Amino acid sequence: AQSVTQLGSHVSVSEGALVLLRCNYSSSVPPYLFWYVQYPNQGLQLLLKYTTGATLVKGINGFEAEFKKSETSFHLTKPSAHMSDAAEYFCAVSDLEEGGGNKLTFGTGTQLKVEL
Amino acid sequence: SQTIHQWPATLVQPVGSPLSLECTVEGTSNPNLYWYRQAAGRGLQLLFYSVGIGQISSEVPQNLSASRPQDRQFILSSKKLLLSDSGFYLCAWTQGPLYEQYFGPGTRLTVT
Repeated sequence: AQSVTQLGSHVSVSEGALVLLRCNYSSSVPPYLFWYVQYPNQGLQLLLKYTTGATLVKGINGFEAEFKKSETSFHLTKPSAHMSDAAEYFCAVSDLEEGGGNKLTFGTGTQLKVEL
Repeated sequence: SQTIHQWPATLVQPVGSPLSLECTVEGTSNPNLYWYRQAAGRGLQLLFYSVGIGQISSEVPQNLSASRPQDRQFILSSKKLLLSDSGFYLCAWTQGPLYEQYFGPGTRLTVT
């Protein structure tokens, strides 16, 4: 079964500083990986995804993530944090089921705080 | 384009009362549909998913049930709510060949 570990339930950065949110996964098959963002009292919004091909994927709002198979990692980065980036971020791995269930296994989330 | 709706947005219910949350998707056909619960300070817990009308898979045995009476409608129900049912309930959809899921705005349920 797949699993996802997000190191650091809370991360605080200064505005303009690098954002690095860590995600490690466990999967018995080649994984499909995702990052989602959640603002307070809202649903989750897809930031970016890795399925196949280029291991560095770019997403919305200036975020990107790199799939590193040897490290089983899919860390999320952004060169310069903005106040509007303050939110909770979830990493997820796809678990394809026979019969097309296509479930996602989520990490426990990282709350990003951006300070002036 | 596809959109997903959930209602109500917020709900306060007493212990022991019934529950019905509704999710509908527009702009697609035969989607896979999912119900998640997000408790305070915790991640997302998959409750149910459905690959077609009348087809429900349960992930966690509990006080809740789900139904899919129409292709783009997914309903989460309970006959008697418990305090532990409080949380933020999210509906999501996907469709082959997509792998990512798209989420609705959520329903905040408080059981008192």
